[in-house]
This record gives sequence, structure tokens and C-alpha cells, in this order.
Amino acid sequence: EPEVTQTPSHQVTQMGQEVILRCVPISNHLYFYWYRQILGQKVEFLVSFYNNEISEKSEIFDDQFSVERPDGSNFTLKIRSTKLEDSAMYFCASSVEDNYGYTFGSGTRLTVV
Amino acid sequence: QKEVEQNSGPLSVPEGAIASLNCTYSDRGSQSFFWYRQYSGKSPELIMFIYSNGDKEDGRFTAQLNKASQYVSLLIRDSQPSDSATYLCAGVNNNDMRFGAGTRLTVKP
Repeated sequence: EPEVTQTPSHQVTQMGQEVILRCVPISNHLYFYWYRQILGQKVEFLVSFYNNEISEKSEIFDDQFSVERPDGSNFTLKIRSTKLEDSAMYFCASSVEDNYGYTFGSGTRLTVV
Repeated sequence: QKEVEQNSGPLSVPEGAIASLNCTYSDRGSQSFFWYRQYSGKSPELIMFIYSNGDKEDGRFTAQLNKASQYVSLLIRDSQPSDSATYLCAGVNNNDMRFGAGTRLTVKP
């Protein structure tokens, strides 16, 4: 069964550093998403991406965050100048159509120290 | 506001019983609704989706949608210990899917 692949599975970074989280969506999917889940809290929407541009973003997705699809397969989330409160599990997801079910990757656990 | 509300539980049912999970949403523009299951430390896994008023059945699972009441539910029949997980309700409006906080379900053998 096709999968969404995320790397790395765990990233530890120092406060103030930049991190890039990587995702390979399912190959025939056109819509891509990033979510985060702080330990013990709800899954929170960050951003959706379609046709090489952001289609929706939440209030969490401020200037500290950016997304990119640098080639035909990868989808990345960059977090600049990380803060302690950025520590969370970050999930990438993709879907074949708008308003369709999303397939989630296994996540990247980001720890900011 | 695009809020999805769920009873956080925990909900505990005996093996073989029916588990009933409920969800309300505030965004009337939401077009489709989803139930995901999340095991501890794992990613959400899609169980089923519904976009029309009424019931939708898939094996032991039945989703119900009432758009007038802005209410979604999930019934799990013949609950099994392996169904023990957190169940997330989500609604989507134009590429923006919002999740509830989830209901923790425990099925006791």
C-alpha cells in the first residue's frame, strides 16, 4: 500500500537553529499538508499546498515557517529560529483530491533544547 | 472559528459492546467529515469518511452525519480490545482539515 514517507523520524535541535523536515507524499496525490501535535494535545493544522503554492494556512503558520516542493517528489517544512514550544510531532499528509481523506506519514518528532 | 469538539472521554466499553463516539463542528462550510484512529505515539489512520446526511456503514463501523445539527458520530459494533485507541473527528473545508481533540476509547476484555 502506498505510503507517505517522512524523514528524519526524530530530530533534536538547539533553540534558535533552523530545521527542515522532509516528506515524500504518495506519488499520484496532488494535495499536501503539514500538521503538528504537541505531546498530549490535538492534531493542529499548519498548512495545505496545491499546484506549487500554499492554498490554506492556519494562524500557527507564521513567518517562522515555510514550505517548499523543491522537486517532483519531496515536500519540506522549514522552521526558522526554533523555539522550545516548537517541540512536537510534525505530520505530513497527502490526498488525491480536495476534501478527500488524507494519508498521514509516520511523523517527525522535533525536540528543541 | 473552525472548531471541532469531541468528548475527550475516556470511554470504556466491554468487549463485544457498541462504542458510540460523538463530535460537533462549528464551520458550516465543512463539506466532508472523517474519523481517524490514533494509537499512542503513532500517526492518525483513516477509518472512514462521510459527506452526506445519514448513515454510512463499513464493516463494524457506522458513521452518522446530521448537517442541520452539525453533528457527526461513529458507532463501533462488536468492539475489540484492538479498537482501544484515540478516535479523532475531523471536518474539511477547502483544503483545511481541522481535528477535534479526540476521544480515548478503552475496550476491556
